[in-house]
Amino acid sequence: GQQLNQSPQSMFIQEGEDVSMNCTSSSIFNTWLWYKQDPGEGPVLLIALYKAGELTSNGRLTAQFGITRKDSFLNISASIPSDVGIYFCAGHGSGNTGKLIFGQGTTLQVKP
Amino acid sequence: GAGVSQSPSNKVTEKGKDVELRCDPISGHTALYWYRQSLGQGLEFLIYFQGNSAPDKSGLPSDRFSAERTGGSVSTLTIQRTQQEDSAVYLCASSWASGPSTDTQYFGPGTRLTVL
Repeated sequence: GQQLNQSPQSMFIQEGEDVSMNCTSSSIFNTWLWYKQDPGEGPVLLIALYKAGELTSNGRLTAQFGITRKDSFLNISASIPSDVGIYFCAGHGSGNTGKLIFGQGTTLQVKP
Repeated sequence: GAGVSQSPSNKVTEKGKDVELRCDPISGHTALYWYRQSLGQGLEFLIYFQGNSAPDKSGLPSDRFSAERTGGSVSTLTIQRTQQEDSAVYLCASSWASGPSTDTQYFGPGTRLTVL
């Protein structure tokens, strides 16, 4: 089945540093989504990408939909302590049901 | 609030018992999804509802798992004869519609299931 490979698995950075994480797939995805999950909560959508090559920003977050439609990255600039959490990439699976395929997640820790 | 709610928030059960997990979607959302998240893993799709019908059950791991949705609103995920490997966080999401490049899926806080 369709799978997303997300890296790195975890990151421990200093406040103020920039962060980059990415997802790759062996199959084409028509959408790429980036979610953040705080402890004890469900994931919350950060950025949605719908076109190959699309580059979208949301505050300090920037994400791009790869030209090949098989990869995406998320950058966080000038990290702050509240950026701590687990970040997931996701894409819509095959068919038209809207089900999401998720990466394994990147756990981000920010040291003040 | 008007978000997706799930109950219970935590459930501890003994191996072999049946459990029911409940999801209340956002009012008016026609699409409803169940996902499972094992410790340290990403979310795994279980089942999708459009209204009261479930056109995609492809993610249900075994016939011990079933789900229903009534009145186009509340959904219940039932796990029969629970096993220890069923231990996970079960997340529900809803959206206005379904399909790629359509509406955002809003997630509930999940039910943490522990099977002893």
